[in-house]
Amino acid sequence: ETGVTQTPRHLVMGMTNKKSLKCEQHLGHNAMYWYKQSAKKPLELMFVYSLEERVENNSVPSRFSPECPNSSHLFLHLHTLQPEDSALYLCASSQDSAGLAGRAGELFFGEGSRLTVL
Amino acid sequence: QKEVEQNSGPLSVPEGAIASLNCTYSDRGSQSFFWYRQYSGKSPELIMFIYSNGDKEDGRFTAQLNKASQYVSLLIRDSQPSDSATYLCAVYNAGNNRKLIWGLGTSLAVNP
Repeated sequence: ETGVTQTPRHLVMGMTNKKSLKCEQHLGHNAMYWYKQSAKKPLELMFVYSLEERVENNSVPSRFSPECPNSSHLFLHLHTLQPEDSALYLCASSQDSAGLAGRAGELFFGEGSRLTVL
Repeated sequence: QKEVEQNSGPLSVPEGAIASLNCTYSDRGSQSFFWYRQYSGKSPELIMFIYSNGDKEDGRFTAQLNKASQYVSLLIRDSQPSDSATYLCAVYNAGNNRKLIWGLGTSLAVNP
């Protein structure tokens, strides 16, 4: 139990569906992240929110839409996805998102949402 | 050139041996270095971080950093089958758009 909870753990959707991934952190952290993990690729940063403001949008297609209503909750809204979007989507949190001390690198991950797009 | 490079493995060691995992990085301005462990089907878990040149020990784990040579390593002493996992190296530079750059990971198998 890392203090970061993701739902659903598994999701299968068609290309025309709309679904959402949810993440909740109970660590009192100020920054939250969405990562995509695909086979044979490094972890890909998608979005970063710091104190509820989006501070990073890593050239992610608009079919992925993040939402951060407060510092404890993060959503990833999905619509008209492609089969190549099938991957493990990881939510993470950290104490903060910047700083020379590198606290931004001390991430706590949720268990992930395994997405399959048919 | 990949920004963070790791040997994909699998690295196979017998139980009780020392496992040595290596990581090189290209950004000389990198300031913080992290090792994450990821069991199959699970999410990454932070096990070590190091900011200064030299060694940092935590239980059976030792992280070693050499900024001049741009490499960071993780030693696991008295390896156990439960250490079998993929180990991800990540490197952070506050000046590089504050991004954490990840390696592909090294798969470690500890054989009983």
